[in-house]
Amino acid sequence: AQSVTQPDIHITVSEGASLELRCNYSYGATPYLFWYVQSPGQGLQLLLKYFSGDTLVQGIKGFEAEFKRSQSSFNLRKPSVHWSDAAEYFCASFTGGGNKLTFGTGTQLKVEL
Amino acid sequence: GAGVSQTPSNKVTEKGKYVELRCDPISGHTALYWYRQSLGQGPEFLIYFQGTGAADDSGLPNDRFFAVRPEGSVSTLKIQRTERGDSAVYLCASSFRGTSGNEQFFGPGTRLTVL
Repeated sequence: AQSVTQPDIHITVSEGASLELRCNYSYGATPYLFWYVQSPGQGLQLLLKYFSGDTLVQGIKGFEAEFKRSQSSFNLRKPSVHWSDAAEYFCASFTGGGNKLTFGTGTQLKVEL
Repeated sequence: GAGVSQTPSNKVTEKGKYVELRCDPISGHTALYWYRQSLGQGPEFLIYFQGTGAADDSGLPNDRFFAVRPEGSVSTLKIQRTERGDSAVYLCASSFRGTSGNEQFFGPGTRLTVL
């Protein structure tokens, strides 16, 4: 069965610093990969997705992610973090023929002012 | 336009009681999903509807859980004989079609607490 691993439970960065959140997937074929953000009391919001093609994908709010097949990774990055980016971030995937999303356990981002 | 809405936002019940959680998907979305998010975990898939029928209910944990979508729009997740372990946030999502290329839009969730 496919799985998604987010190795970092908590990350703290200073405002203005760069950010990288790690995500590893386990699946034989190329998966469909997603990053979602969840703020307190809010629904999950899609930041970006990768299906195929260019391995560097741009998303909303200045986020980007790079698909690396050799490392089975899909890390999320942002060059300069804002205090409003503090939230929980989830990496997710589903297979080509499926419909259900498989989520990682999430990374809680704290931004220090 | 309106997003996915879920009611109630919070539900507190006692062990053994029956609860219903409602989801109103985005108008025109044919696919509807239910997920459960326990504390400190990512959401876990429960069931997926394409139209009125449950196309995949492999995530329902046991027969105490049941969901319906009689007219292909609003869905209700029903939990019988609730247990303390059912306490979680129940998330609903909808997408235009139930295919991998379609983004799932999530509602704010219903926080269920079983005392």
